[in-house]
Amino acid sequence: QKEVEQNSGPLSVPEGAIASLNCTYSDRGSQSFFWYRQYSGKSPELIMSIYSNGDKEDGRFTAQLNKASQYVSLLIRDSQPSDSATYLCAVNIALLSGGSYIPTFGRGTSLIVHP
Amino acid sequence: ETGVTQTPRHLVMGMTNKKSLKCEQHLGHNAMYWYKQSAKKPLELMFVYNFKEQTENNSVPSRFSPECPNSSHLFLHLHTLQPEDSALYLCASSQDPLAVSGNTIYFGEGSWLTVV
Repeated sequence: QKEVEQNSGPLSVPEGAIASLNCTYSDRGSQSFFWYRQYSGKSPELIMSIYSNGDKEDGRFTAQLNKASQYVSLLIRDSQPSDSATYLCAVNIALLSGGSYIPTFGRGTSLIVHP
Repeated sequence: ETGVTQTPRHLVMGMTNKKSLKCEQHLGHNAMYWYKQSAKKPLELMFVYNFKEQTENNSVPSRFSPECPNSSHLFLHLHTLQPEDSALYLCASSQDPLAVSGNTIYFGEGSWLTVV
């Protein structure tokens, strides 16, 4: 069973701090990694994608990938109360039955940013 | 507006009812998906359609029956469901599920299903 693991949290940080969210995965062959944000009662929305080792920055968000350690993380700088949500890590894993590369999701980490 | 539209947004049905969920994508994608999200569980892949052909069925019970008439429309027909099937059902689409790198999926707003 190919898995994606996340700490369910909640992770609580003060406003203005850096929030660090972590994810590990089991399939060494994975090539595509994604972070989604899901507000309570809403559907997941894509925040970041990353395909190469290293850092990728987009505004206040930085995704970090280390394929050797099978580890992907998301840093949120200058955290705001509006960032309070569940953050889902997704890893594209090959499904042998149909040859497709489909996102497998972790359980998500709940982030609370308090004023 | 996500580019993937789902109806109805909320559905309450009895265990003997037959109902359908509908999904339409306006992104020009070739693949469509059904995911199930239950409380305290990760998102579960149910079905994948690529160019309107089903390529994945993740051991889903036959009381869930998908239909994909073309690359823009996807249905999930429901019959004789159980209370434990109550969940958020998410439709998604992507450009190319056979791409080794970069198959990014985009979700609709979801259909909240309650089985009573």
